[in-house]
Formats: sequence, C-alpha cells, structure tokens
Amino acid sequence: QVQLVQSGAEVKKPGASVKISCKASGYTFTSYYMHWVRQAPGQGLEWMGLINPTGSTSNNAQKFQGRLTMTRDTATSSVSMELSSLRSDDTAVYYCARSTGYNSGLDYWGQGTLVTVSS
Amino acid sequence: DIQMTQSPSSLSASVGDRVTLTCRASQSISTYLSWYQQKPGKAPKLLIYAASSLQSGVPSRFSGSGSGTDFTLTISSLQPEDFATYYCQQSYSTPTWTFGQGTKVEIK
Repeated sequence: QVQLVQSGAEVKKPGASVKISCKASGYTFTSYYMHWVRQAPGQGLEWMGLINPTGSTSNNAQKFQGRLTMTRDTATSSVSMELSSLRSDDTAVYYCARSTGYNSGLDYWGQGTLVTVSS
Repeated sequence: DIQMTQSPSSLSASVGDRVTLTCRASQSISTYLSWYQQKPGKAPKLLIYAASSLQSGVPSRFSGSGSGTDFTLTISSLQPEDFATYYCQQSYSTPTWTFGQGTKVEIK
C-alpha cells in the first residue's frame, strides 16, 4: 500500500532552518511528483512547491522564493524540504503529497509534521 | 497569480441534504481543478480531480462540475461522515498550484 511517512515534530527559534523528510513506499517513486503543503493553526491549506519525478527540477510558490529548498533521493525513495529564515508565522503542520501530473490531484498525503517557531 | 475563492465560507446542513459548494478562479483554469475533504487533525483527502473525475474509492454521492472559472462540488445526500472542511485547488498555473480558503460544512 502507498505510504508517505514524514519525520517528527520540530521546535525552532526564529531565524533558524528546519528540514523535514518524507519517505515513500508502495509505489514507483520516480513516477510521481512530490509536493509540499502547509497549514497554519486554524487556517487553510497553502501550497508551497513541488519537485519533479527525477528530482531534476523544483518549483516554489513565489512567497517562498529563496527560503525553500526541496530535494529527492531516489535511492531511499525520500524527499526533503528545508525552509530557512524561520519566522513565527511559519508555525504550521507541513505535509508532503504526491501527484502523477498536473491535473491528477494530490492523491496520497503524509501524516504531517508540526513545526513550531518560537523564541 | 491565480486566486481561488470558495463560497460560502461555512454552511449548516442536515443529514440527507443536497449540498453544493462553489469555487471560482480569478482567470480561466480549464478543468485543472481538484477538490479535497479535510477532517480535524487529519491530512486532506482527494475527492475529485480534473474538475469532474471521481477519485478511486470516493463515494458516488460526491460529484464535481465546471470549467473555465466556475466550479461546483455537490454532495447528493449528506452523510454524518461528510461534515468536514472542503478545499478546491487549481493546477493550471503551472508550476504554481493554489488552494481556495475552504468551506466548512457543519451539522444543522
């Protein structure tokens, strides 16, 4: 069965960076895009970016330009997301999710990783 | 950037009701539109992709329609497990995807 398993909760100070991993299993890893989506407490979903099946290209939402780095490791079927220069409003649950293409939706999601940014 | 606006922000309905949720794009997105259901503390669940295609395993009481800028998600007969928040998402503006702000469906 398809599973996306994310790393555990993090507490960071403002200005620090956080790196979250997402390990995939149960499907052909290189056939799917991987996305990152976050949700601040009590708020809606915010799409952050995607990385293509081979990891050769990634694209971020404009608001994360320069702060967001996504990588994927086909050897371990894992993707990672690093967000730098953290602020208090980066406190959120971060999800990884996969898609087959650009009109297939995000059909499987990780369990979410809570990142708390606090001094 | 393409903006997605959902209406209403919340609604109250009873079990058995027919419920229609609306999502409007700030410019045409063809049928590059997905719908998700999210329950508290859980990851979102894909319901509909390509505006009207039902995701495998999703009950047939859910349906989607629309193209261009106006889209709807209809629940033909609301069930107790359908009380949740629903989000639309556009994927036309490659490579930037955008979610709507959500519609919360509550028990009347």
